[in-house]
Amino acid sequence: DAMVIQNPRYQVTQFGKPVTLSCSQTLNHNVMYWYQQKSSQAPKLLFHYYDKDFNNEADTPDNFQSRRPNTSFCFLDIRSPGLGDTAMYLCATSRDLAGEETQYFGPGTRLLVL
Amino acid sequence: AQSVTQPDIHITVSEGASLELRCNYSYGATPYLFWYVQSPGQGLQLLLKYFSGDTLVQGIKGFEAEFKRSQSSFNLRKPSVHWSDAAEYFCAVGARAGGTSYGKLTFGQGTILTVHP
Repeated sequence: DAMVIQNPRYQVTQFGKPVTLSCSQTLNHNVMYWYQQKSSQAPKLLFHYYDKDFNNEADTPDNFQSRRPNTSFCFLDIRSPGLGDTAMYLCATSRDLAGEETQYFGPGTRLLVL
Repeated sequence: AQSVTQPDIHITVSEGASLELRCNYSYGATPYLFWYVQSPGQGLQLLLKYFSGDTLVQGIKGFEAEFKRSQSSFNLRKPSVHWSDAAEYFCAVGARAGGTSYGKLTFGQGTILTVHP
């Protein structure tokens, strides 16, 4: 089945220790998104890629970076995680960047910063 | 800027009872509207979406939603709830063409549904 895959599903890291989360898709979609979802909150968009074009949300901290080496893969790098970065990180894809496009979500990576 | 309000943080229903989850949006025109469901520890799955036309939209798992422009609402309904429907439900708005929000979803805070046997 075509899908969005995230690895790892659970990640524990120490305060300040860099961490990388991975997302891959078999949908061949042009757009890939990264969301942060804290406990009992709505998903919050961090950034997205349209093909190779990177678009950062204005309020996304500089601590968060992303790479998209090819169509299928996208990575979220947290350079110096703080305790407040403990959250679920969701990757999503869509065929195109348009308001009517359905976003397809992966299962998420639950990150715990100690 | 667009926004979404889900007034009910937590709803509890008995299995077999009917369900309505409320969603109100704020947007300058008719938005694209979505309902997603998130089971514990999982990603979001699309239940249904509204773009235009018939204001009553059918989705997966027996869910439907009705767009009411006059009330800026897009409430989700199911006539008979099953225990497996217990999850968190998110309403979301997608902007139409133009502006910096195009192609992005704005989510409501979510409604947690508990189903009693």
